[in-house]
Amino acid sequence: DADVTQTPRNRITKTGKRIMLECSQTKGHDRMYWYRQDPGLGLRLIYYSFDVKDINKGEISDGYSVSRQAQAKFSLSLESAIPNQTALYFCATSDTGLAGTYEQYFGPGTRLTVT
Amino acid sequence: TQLLEQSPQFLSIQEGENLTVYCNSSSVFSSLQWYRQEPGEGPVLLVTVVTGGEVKKLKRLTFQFGDARKDSSLHITAAQPGDTGLYLCAGSFLNDYKLSFGAGTTVTVRA
Repeated sequence: DADVTQTPRNRITKTGKRIMLECSQTKGHDRMYWYRQDPGLGLRLIYYSFDVKDINKGEISDGYSVSRQAQAKFSLSLESAIPNQTALYFCATSDTGLAGTYEQYFGPGTRLTVT
Repeated sequence: TQLLEQSPQFLSIQEGENLTVYCNSSSVFSSLQWYRQEPGEGPVLLVTVVTGGEVKKLKRLTFQFGDARKDSSLHITAAQPGDTGLYLCAGSFLNDYKLSFGAGTTVTVRA
């Protein structure tokens, strides 16, 4: 079984709808992250959480919110989806690792299309 | 603002040829990682380098970290179609508790 799972894998939604993307992990890592990937822009950090009580904004958090329900679960919500939020979304986890290297373990991604 | 620059953006070569991908920053990295991503999947970690001048080898892949810890390269010897994918570098910086990713290099190896 995959260590980091994401649901749904694909989603098409309409402008203005609320949508939640879910992430679960069995790696036992404290740190979890949400990224979006757009062609030519690489991975950009939306939110990250270093433990259940710690939530931090990334570089592109506007229009998104998150919830860390447990060590193993981290959800990303789009309160009112807009077309420019069409992208590939990845959840990732990391352990503290060697000297703060933050090595990331990614889920398979969710392809979101907002029409 | 993209702190890491990768080059080239695209690379298409014939099977058996060699290739090099570069990752540069104006800031000093605490550590740097290389990932490979295949279509429909998430990125997978290939290597982490932390020491200036460090060289790591993974089969036909050689990773170098610059002496000043501001740049890195990935060299693939005798590329195979299975090496096709998006190669991403990612770095962490001092006093910053997260990674910054480059835009990636799309590598295509033709049979």
